[in-house]
Amino acid sequence: AQRVTQPEKLLSVFKGAPVELKCNYSYSGSPELFWYVQYSRQRLQLLLRHISRESIKGFTADLNKGETSFHLKKPFAQEEDSAMYYCALSNAGKSTFGDGTTLTVKP
Amino acid sequence: ETGVTQSPTHLIKTRGQQVTLRCSSQSGHNTVSWYQQALGQGPQFIFQYYREEENGRGNFPPRFSGLQFPNYSSELNVNALELDDSALYLCASSGQGTGDFSYNEQFFGPGTRLTVL
Repeated sequence: AQRVTQPEKLLSVFKGAPVELKCNYSYSGSPELFWYVQYSRQRLQLLLRHISRESIKGFTADLNKGETSFHLKKPFAQEEDSAMYYCALSNAGKSTFGDGTTLTVKP
Repeated sequence: ETGVTQSPTHLIKTRGQQVTLRCSSQSGHNTVSWYQQALGQGPQFIFQYYREEENGRGNFPPRFSGLQFPNYSSELNVNALELDDSALYLCASSGQGTGDFSYNEQFFGPGTRLTVL
């Protein structure tokens, strides 16, 4: 069965500090992994996906198959990064989301 | 380009009733997924439709059913409502891609808040 775990419900950092949002998954094959973000009063939207290997808004995420992790990182957090972040796994038409981490970046 | 829309915004039903939620996919998208999001939890996958056929299903009972129409809009039907069905129901559409749906970005609607009393 597919499972995604985000161990931190809440994460608070100061502006300019590094931030890492953890995501662990369980899946026996080679899944596709995503990070979605939901800003206050906005819809859930894609932040980045593993296959693109891109950096969006300064965020990166590396797939570690050995540790089955897909942690989201940003070297210098900004106040506008405050939002709810969801890690998601997708395979063959089925998507599994974690329960999310609320990131608060304090001034 | 029109984004994903859902109707109604809010809905109140009583236990045992039936409900139909509607979703219009983003222009050019032919795949629709439905999710249930309870308070404090992430979206839980209900099912996905591709070209009017169910393409994948999560761990939801048969009283959760769906339809996709030729214009790729979709409905989620829930029969015999239970109190635990109270949640935000999200619809997401995505493009066809290469036929492997795993890579596709999903575009979410604003959701329908269902309350079952």
